[in-house]
Amino acid sequence: AQSVTQPDIHITVSEGASLELRCNYSYGATPYLFWYVQSPGQGLQLLLKYFSGDTLVQGIKGFEAEFKRSQSSFNLRKPSVHWSDAAEYFCAVGALETSYDKVIFGPGTSLSVIP
Amino acid sequence: DAGVIQSPRHEVTEMGQEVTLRCKPISGHNSLFWYRQTMMRGLELLIYFNNNVPIDDSGMPEDRFSAKMPNASFSTLKIQPSEPRDSAVYFCASSPGVLLEQYFGPGTRLTVT
Repeated sequence: AQSVTQPDIHITVSEGASLELRCNYSYGATPYLFWYVQSPGQGLQLLLKYFSGDTLVQGIKGFEAEFKRSQSSFNLRKPSVHWSDAAEYFCAVGALETSYDKVIFGPGTSLSVIP
Repeated sequence: DAGVIQSPRHEVTEMGQEVTLRCKPISGHNSLFWYRQTMMRGLELLIYFNNNVPIDDSGMPEDRFSAKMPNASFSTLKIQPSEPRDSAVYFCASSPGVLLEQYFGPGTRLTVT
């Protein structure tokens, strides 16, 4: 069965510093890959997605992610974090699961930003 | 488009009562998902529909939970009878396709006392 891991439960960075959130998945083929963000009290919002092609994808709010097939990873990056980026971040993987398609969400990484 | 609409936004009920959560997906989306989110268990997929047909309900906790999608513009998640451990935020999401990007509603915060 496919799985998604986000090794960091919580990360704290200073405003203006760079950010990298890790995501690893377990699946034989190249799945569809997503990053979502959830601000307190709100639903999840899509940051970016990867289906095929260029392995570096750009998203909203200045975020980017890089797909590395050899490492089964899809890490999220931002060169300079803003205080408003404090939120929960979820990586998600979509692929064929046994007899039907399925999207699996990782456990999430909570980001705190120090002024 | 108004996005995914969920109602009610907040629900407080007593143990044993029936609870019905409602969702209106984005027009034209073929897939609809129900999730539950708690601090302890994180985000859990309960069930999803494709073209109004339930595809995977393996995440539904027990028989007290049921979901329906009578047409492309409406879905319900029902809990009967409700229990305190059902307290959570329930999200509905819709998507143009099962493996494509999902658009989440604002959620329904359910409190069962």
